[in-house]
Amino acid sequence: GAVVSQHPSWVICKSGTSVKIECRSLDFQATTMFWYRQFPKQSLMLMATSNEGSKATYEQGVEKDKFLINHASLTLSTLTVTSAHPEDSSFYICSASIRGYEQYFGPGTRLTVT
Amino acid sequence: GDSVTQMEGPVTLSEEAFLTINCTYTATGYPSLFWYVQYPGEGLQLLLKATKADDKGSNKGFEATYRKETTSFHLEKGSVQVSDSAVYFCALSDQGSGYSTLTFGKGTMLLVSP
Repeated sequence: GAVVSQHPSWVICKSGTSVKIECRSLDFQATTMFWYRQFPKQSLMLMATSNEGSKATYEQGVEKDKFLINHASLTLSTLTVTSAHPEDSSFYICSASIRGYEQYFGPGTRLTVT
Repeated sequence: GDSVTQMEGPVTLSEEAFLTINCTYTATGYPSLFWYVQYPGEGLQLLLKATKADDKGSNKGFEATYRKETTSFHLEKGSVQVSDSAVYFCALSDQGSGYSTLTFGKGTMLLVSP
């Protein structure tokens, strides 16, 4: 149980385009979803927290207009990287939480912007 | 604020050697403590957890004890295998914000050779 999927697992896009990453909780309803960014050989940096039906809460230094997060249902959250640039290339990981306690992590999405 | 400090890697061991990865934390209140493992190119998997002082989390031969007096949660395994090669993250969860925000250490890479 408590499986979280991400799609796509790997995406390459051209500079200036937008890309959407999906995070789904497959066998439970997630009241809260989290989005992290991980640079090579570094720890996870929390980007934002989203609760179903409400606006996401972004961490300090994360551009809200750059990284659009939507949590439309209890099983789906999306992260859209708008007008992507090479410096946005990274590994993006989502997690989902049941009842606000333990987080279950997705397998991650590797974004490469050329 | 909350923080997690873990020993820097990489930790290089031969198969069947004893493993210790140190982790200490600072937190207000009484956090839950976690160890996560990340295999190359994948997301995080929960390895073990402890929710209160003196609890011992264990899984797949790994164990860690929540030591409130030393604010530590060191990860140990008696005999490592090549398949244990991965990055290990120590983390704490403080529910003071109302949901399970995780604070991660920087991660420790473990390399096990045959």
